[in-house]
Amino acid sequence: ETGVTQSPTHLIKTRGQQVTLRCSSQSGHNTVSWYQQALGQGPQFIFQYYREEENGRGNFPPRFSGLQFPNYSSELNVNALELDDSALYLCASSLEGGNQPQHFGDGTRLSIL
Amino acid sequence: GNSVTQMEGPVTLSEEAFLTINCTYTATGYPSLFWYVQYPGEGLQLLLKATKADDKGSNKGFEATYRKETTSFHLEKGSVQVSDSAVYFCALLSYGGSQGNLIFGKGTKLSVKP
Repeated sequence: ETGVTQSPTHLIKTRGQQVTLRCSSQSGHNTVSWYQQALGQGPQFIFQYYREEENGRGNFPPRFSGLQFPNYSSELNVNALELDDSALYLCASSLEGGNQPQHFGDGTRLSIL
Repeated sequence: GNSVTQMEGPVTLSEEAFLTINCTYTATGYPSLFWYVQYPGEGLQLLLKATKADDKGSNKGFEATYRKETTSFHLEKGSVQVSDSAVYFCALLSYGGSQGNLIFGKGTKLSVKP
C-alpha cells in the first residue's frame, strides 16, 4: 500500500512569486486535506477536497487555492507569496465518511526569501 | 469555536520514565480525538485515536482515554525509550465540512535521555 507522497520536498521562492505543491493520496483515499505548519506550531487547516470539489476551508486568503484530480491527487497553489508563507505544507488523505483518520505525507518545506 | 490545548514543552525524561502529556479540548458535540507524532524532518504519523466518550486508544505502549466530563485526552506511556523522542500533537476532528478537518494543539516536544 502506497502512502501519501508530496513533491517537491523543499522549495525556495521569492516574495510575489507563485508556487504549486503536489500530493498523491494513499491508495483508495478520495479525500485530501492541506495544512500549513509554521515553525514550532501545530498544523493549521487550509482546505479540503472531496470528489474534485473544495469541501471546507480554513482561515486562509483566496490566494491559496487548490485542485483535485480524478485520480484523487491534489495540488495546492499559492499566489503572490509573502514572507509569512514560509512553512511546512502537509497533505493528508482519508477515506470517505466521518471519523476517518487522516494520513499525512512528509510535507513540502517552502522558504520565501 | 473548537480548539485544543496541550501542555507546553519541552519535556525531558530519562529512559524508562513515565510519560504524561496533557491535552484538553473545547468543541461542540462529541468530536473524534487523535494523537499524532512527528519525528524530525518528517510528516505526522497517527499514533492513536478515540471516537467516543470513555474509548481508550492505544498503540506502541501509548494510551489515551477520551474523558467527556473533563474534556481531556491525556497521552500516557509507562516506560519511554530514546526512540520516543519526537513532537506529539493532540487533535480533534471538526465537522465544518462533511468530511471533517483536524484542529491541532501546538505540540509538545519530548526528549528522552539514555
